[in-house]
Amino acid sequence: AQSVTQLGSHVSVSEGALVLLRCNYSSSVPPYLFWYVQYPNQGLQLLLKYTTGATLVKGINGFEAEFKKSETSFHLTKPSAHMSDAAEYFCAVSDGNQGGKLIFGQGTELSVKP
Amino acid sequence: DAGVIQSPRHEVTEMGQEVTLRCKPISGHNSLFWYRQTMMRGLELLIYFNNNVPIDDSGMPEDRFSAKMPNASFSTLKIQPSEPRDSAVYFCASSLGQGETQYFGPGTRLLVL
Repeated sequence: AQSVTQLGSHVSVSEGALVLLRCNYSSSVPPYLFWYVQYPNQGLQLLLKYTTGATLVKGINGFEAEFKKSETSFHLTKPSAHMSDAAEYFCAVSDGNQGGKLIFGQGTELSVKP
Repeated sequence: DAGVIQSPRHEVTEMGQEVTLRCKPISGHNSLFWYRQTMMRGLELLIYFNNNVPIDDSGMPEDRFSAKMPNASFSTLKIQPSEPRDSAVYFCASSLGQGETQYFGPGTRLLVL
């Protein structure tokens, strides 16, 4: 079975500060890993994904994440937060062999202070 | 492309009524997913289809929920009878296939009184 744990349901940073959102996963097979962002009253939008290959993945809006197999982690980072980054962020894991269904973490709400 | 289209965007109904949520996936996508989002349980997969065939419905809460995909461009999620605990945001997503990126619709916000 697969699972995702996001550490911290709420993270608050100052504008211009580093953003670090933590995600750990559990999977019995090589995972596909995703980060999605959800703005208020909207659907989910893909930020980035890891399937195979390079472990450092770059996404939209300056975000990136690094797949660390030894730590079963896929933390999301951004060097400098913008006010527009305030949203809820979801980490998800998929086993492509199971049809690609996503198992989501509980989400982390990011607040950005001016 | 218009993206995944869901209707209605908002639905308010009374307990016991039938509710039908609709989804039009992105053209050419072979997989379709229905998710439910609540504060208590987060995002849960209810059911997914591959090439219009239901593959995994283990997330469907109970017999009151049913989903169909009569063709590649349309799917419905029906709740009959509805209950207040069904109040949630229901998302539809589609993808090109197994392991591919899922694209989400804007969701249907359901309130059962």
